[in-house]
Order: sequence, then structure tokens, then C-alpha cells
Amino acid sequence: DTGVSQDPRHKITKRGQNVTFRCDPISEHNRLYWYRQTLGQGPEFLTYFQNEAQLEKSRLLSDRFSAERPKGSFSTLEIQRTEQGDSAMYLCASSAKLAEQGDTQYFGPGTRLTVL
Amino acid sequence: AQSVTQLDSQVPVFEEAPVELRCNYSSSVSVYLFWYVQYPNQGLQLLLKYLSGSTLVKGINGFEAEFNKSQTSFHLRKPSVHISDTAEYFCAVENNAGNMLTFGGGTRLMVKP
Repeated sequence: DTGVSQDPRHKITKRGQNVTFRCDPISEHNRLYWYRQTLGQGPEFLTYFQNEAQLEKSRLLSDRFSAERPKGSFSTLEIQRTEQGDSAMYLCASSAKLAEQGDTQYFGPGTRLTVL
Repeated sequence: AQSVTQLDSQVPVFEEAPVELRCNYSSSVSVYLFWYVQYPNQGLQLLLKYLSGSTLVKGINGFEAEFNKSQTSFHLRKPSVHISDTAEYFCAVENNAGNMLTFGGGTRLMVKP
């Protein structure tokens, strides 16, 4: 399978702990996105990378959140001092920059975070 | 700023009946619109997208959507649904920089036998 993969698929943690999620995009996709989806809602944009550069960050991405994409390949999303409000599905997507707009974003299966 | 409104949170329909899932958008820039489907415990899969040209867009699994600029709508339709179409459907609009999607709240399609 050459789609977007995410690890882990599920994570349960206690409030105050740090967690890190990994996303492996489709090979040679230079654009990578993180979204958050809470129960019963549509995904909300968190951040965007073009190659290794983080070019866009949402106001939803508080200072407890940090994302990296070293070498422009896989990406990690870390949440420090987790809060119960962080419980959500974290989705990763990637796309190839074929045009300025309209490229299809391919989504991974997501990491479901539960903060107790 | 862009926004997407999906007017129906749930749409129940019998198998083999037609269905329309409604989507209205607000955007001050060029409009690029998408419909994604999400099956339980899975990521989102692209059904179709409108970039330009013909306002009637055909997608996978027999779905189609019509872009209506004057009504700022992009409704999704299927003439005959199957049980396997039961899923959550999301409408989305892309920003002008081409690096972010804004999604609606989703519509849960429930196909009954």
C-alpha cells in the first residue's frame, strides 16, 4: 500500500503527558498537512509543510503543539502537557504540487487521541 | 475568509433511492470545491472536485455534483444509493494559496434496506 500512513492509530494518555504522532506521506509528495477532527465535526486545518518548511499554521495550533518535517519526508506532531480538550482524531494528508491550486489531498487513516 | 455549510447533519434514505447532500460555501476568491467521503474508522477519500470548466462534475462510485456560482452551492447527488454508501460526507473549499481546505460539518448518509 503506497498511501499515507499514520502511527499510532490509537493513543490513550493521561492529562499532562506528552504525545507524538508520526505521518508518512505518499512517496515524493512535497506537501504535507495536519488536520484535527473532533467527534461529529469536519476536519480543521492545523498546519502545512512544503518540503521541510512549515509555511502555514492555524490559530488552533497553540504553543503546546509542535510539528516538524525533517528532510521533507515524514512528519511528526507533538502535543505537550495534553489536556482533555486535545482528544480528537489527528489526520495527516499529502499532495503533490502539480498546480498552484486544486491539487488533491490524500488522507491517512488518522490517529485517535484520548486524553483521560 | 472561507466557510462551508452542510445543511443536513443526517440524511436517511432507502436503498436504490436518489439522494442529494447539500453544500453551500462562502469565498471571496477563486473557488475550488471538493467532496470527500469518510467510512467508519478510516481517513477521508476524495469523491470529486471542481476546479473550472463544466459545472457538472462526475466522481467515483456514481456520485456527481453541480457547481452553482449564483447560489454559491455545490450539492452532491447520486441517482440510486447502495447500502455501502453509508458514510460521512464532507464538502470542502480550498483557500487562495492552495494549501488549506476548509471543511463543512459533514452529512451522515444512512442507507436503509
